[in-house]
Amino acid sequence: AQKVTQAQTEISVVEKEDVTLDCVYETRDTTYYLFWYKQPPSGELVFLIRRNSFDEQNEISGRYSWNFQKSTSSFNFTITASQVVDSAVYFCALSEAYNQGGKLIFGQGTELSVKP
Amino acid sequence: ETGVTQTPRHLVMGMTNKKSLKCEQHLGHNAMYWYKQSAKKPLELMFVYSLEERVENNSVPSRFSPECPNSSHLFLHLHTLQPEDSALYLCASSQEQDVGDTQYFGPGTRLTVL
Repeated sequence: AQKVTQAQTEISVVEKEDVTLDCVYETRDTTYYLFWYKQPPSGELVFLIRRNSFDEQNEISGRYSWNFQKSTSSFNFTITASQVVDSAVYFCALSEAYNQGGKLIFGQGTELSVKP
Repeated sequence: ETGVTQTPRHLVMGMTNKKSLKCEQHLGHNAMYWYKQSAKKPLELMFVYSLEERVENNSVPSRFSPECPNSSHLFLHLHTLQPEDSALYLCASSQEQDVGDTQYFGPGTRLTVL
């Protein structure tokens, strides 16, 4: 079973639309961290956010917001008023305390295409 | 320079060639990683180094040989590769090799094996 599931393989929106990228995770650990990374066409993974399992407060950073819900094991990412520059592959990742060294387990990624 | 850099950005090699990928981090981190990203597949962790010591080797074929001479530099030596080794190779670093430590990635080396 996949530990991190990003069910949306590809999403296409028109500029200025809001879009939500889903991430569902699976862990037996009580201490864990969740991450989102952005991978533009250039290839580099850009760190966006890190949340720990004890902090369920939602976070907003400009047009980006994250909704962490332990009850549904989800850590969804919303882009408000999307722009063409948001086009990229977005990865959700999990780091568990029991999984030695805090190895990052990545989801399959969601490719977001924002059209003008 | 800032962050994590990788050279070369693109590499084309034959199956009998020997080449090396280089990664350098300017963040003062103690842990470094090599990942492989093939088309349509999730990132695969290959190697982990902590304080220049290899702490993980994820069943990677011996034709890939990592080297970490100091905490700022990481190499991946390649020899006798196969066409299926063509992929994007990403280097990352983190403060420590610990749960929750954010990994920062370089731009990657896009490798094509003919």
